[in-house]
Amino acid sequence: DAGVIQSPRHEVTEMGQEVTLRCKPISGHDYLFWYRQTMMRGLELLIYFNNNVPIDDSGMPEDRFSAKMPNASFSTLKIQPSEPRDSAVYFCASSLDGQTQYFGPGTRLLVL
Amino acid sequence: AQSVTQLGSHVSVSEGALVLLRCNYSSSVPPYLFWYVQYPNQGLQLLLKYTSAATLVKGINGFEAEFKKSETSFHLTKPSAHMSDAAEYFCAVSYGNKLVFGAGTILRVKS
Repeated sequence: DAGVIQSPRHEVTEMGQEVTLRCKPISGHDYLFWYRQTMMRGLELLIYFNNNVPIDDSGMPEDRFSAKMPNASFSTLKIQPSEPRDSAVYFCASSLDGQTQYFGPGTRLLVL
Repeated sequence: AQSVTQLGSHVSVSEGALVLLRCNYSSSVPPYLFWYVQYPNQGLQLLLKYTSAATLVKGINGFEAEFKKSETSFHLTKPSAHMSDAAEYFCAVSYGNKLVFGAGTILRVKS
């Protein structure tokens, strides 16, 4: 059974460019979470969805960040414009019950 | 508010020795508690979870954790460390549908 799928696995971009990260949750999971991991701040929840609806986006750092979930099998996290301080590993996770979360392999983003 | 404290950012053990990774939590309601493991350049993998059933929880790879309400602890143990256990371990507590993570403990296993 496929786990959470994220693409790309690595992204290198220049400051000011738009970055789009993609996530496919485990089939049947109604919850989807986006996290950011950095050395300084650890794991931070950015936003989560339930049944494709954003429930809590209080962790989104600023208006440059946006997330969508157009259907049950796909979500995007977009950063526009990107800045060097956005460099981090971004994880997507999905959950059937809203408690137990299963993580994808992450996207390692470097903004130059 | 829920929070998680992992004592020791780095733990080093010899191969075959007992592994003990400490986690204390604060929660205003009976918690769901989790341990995750992260290998280099990989995502987080669920090791085990406590959901108010048995207080001793067994997970994958020979790990187990015991929920102690009186001590607000959920320490992770493994009787005999293997080289492949070297990784970073995260304790987490649920807060509604959110997980609050500890800062992580890097486990080093010496041969």
